[in-house]
This record gives sequence, C-alpha cells and structure tokens, in this order.
Amino acid sequence: GAVVSQHPSRVICKSGTSVKIECRSLDFQATTMFWYRQFPKQSLMLMATSNEGSKATYEQGVEKDKFLINHASLTLSTLTVTSAHPEDSSFYICSARARAVYNEQFFGPGTRLTVL
Amino acid sequence: AQKITQTQPGMFVQEKEAVTLDCTYDTSDPSYGLFWYKQPSSGEMIFLIYQGSYDQQNATEGRYSLNFQKARKSANLVISASQLGDSAMYFCAMREGYNIGTDKLIFGTGTRLQVFP
Repeated sequence: GAVVSQHPSRVICKSGTSVKIECRSLDFQATTMFWYRQFPKQSLMLMATSNEGSKATYEQGVEKDKFLINHASLTLSTLTVTSAHPEDSSFYICSARARAVYNEQFFGPGTRLTVL
Repeated sequence: AQKITQTQPGMFVQEKEAVTLDCTYDTSDPSYGLFWYKQPSSGEMIFLIYQGSYDQQNATEGRYSLNFQKARKSANLVISASQLGDSAMYFCAMREGYNIGTDKLIFGTGTRLQVFP
C-alpha cells in the first residue's frame, strides 16, 4: 500500500518554542492531506484539511494562528505548532489521499509531541 | 450529537474465535462511506475495510468483514479466526461530506480488543 512518513516521530520541547512536523507521501501525489490530534486514550480529532494549492481549512475550535499548516507540494505538508504549551502535548497524525483513490486515506506513523 | 458511536470500550476474545465490534452512525447524507481502522500500540492507523453507502454487498477483506445494516445505521466489524496480533484499538469512522476537498473522516471513540491464547 501507499506509504506516508512523518518526521520527527517524537519531539520534546520547552514551552514557548515552535515545533514543525513534516508529513510526506512517499510513492504517490497527495492532493489532500489531513492533520489529526489524538490525546491519550481518546479518538482522533481532525484539526485541518489541506488541499494542494489552497489554504488549509481548519475545524472549529482549532486556532489557525497556532497550528500553521503548509501544503508545499503534492508530497509534503507541514504542521507548525507555534509557541507550544504543555496542553499542546499530544499525538499528531497526518494522512494523505491521492486524487484517484478517493475512498482511502493513508496515515502516517504519527508524531508524539511533549511540551515541558 | 455523536455521529459515530462505539459502545464497547473493551472486548476480549480467545484466539481463533470470531469477534464483532459494534459501530453505529448518524447522518442525513444519502452518500457516505464507513471505514474501520486498527491502531496498534505503536500508534499508526491501519486501514482495514471500507463500505460505501450504496454498496449492495457487505465488504470483506480477508478475515475482516463489515456487517452493514443500513436501516439500523450500523456497520459492525467482524474479525474471524482472531490472532494474538489482532490486539489493538479499533476505530470506526464515517466520511462526512461528498465533495473531494471538503469531506472529512469522523472517528468513533474506539474499542480496545484483546486476544488471549
């Protein structure tokens, strides 16, 4: 199946710093990428949808100025958590979808962010 | 209102037995898709099976089958011949929205399945 990578897999940072997470589709062109957040023992919550060539669409309650999403190319999307705080500590997962495979999203392995 | 409901926080099953994980959904959209994902302790989301709202037949993928009852709005996952490696969290999800680019997946709260020898 299609492969989606995320980097880094784990990051620990100090409160107030910014953290960038990369999501790459390795063997297909991702016209749409999704960013999710998952708190411990909870479900995945969609944060934003990013379509190549347009601005990301954020879900209600997600601060667009805090969670900057850039869909730089058909194989790369980045999520930057600006001025991170301990409450931003979570598991961040991206997924990518190719235009021709509408029914399937391919998920990355996730990034565990810990803000001290 | 909860759009995807998984009422079983945890399930146990003996190896080689079958198990059913429940999922009900709520939508007024005639066109939707239903998905099941497996999430092992490592965290990655593994796609298992998909059912479209217009599909006449229940979806099957190897040991996984989806018991789709449209009138009841249920999409239960059946795992046959359970294996120890099936122990994981299982999430039911619904694709909401029809247009590419504006659609999104809504996830249930998950069911933790534990397979014992």
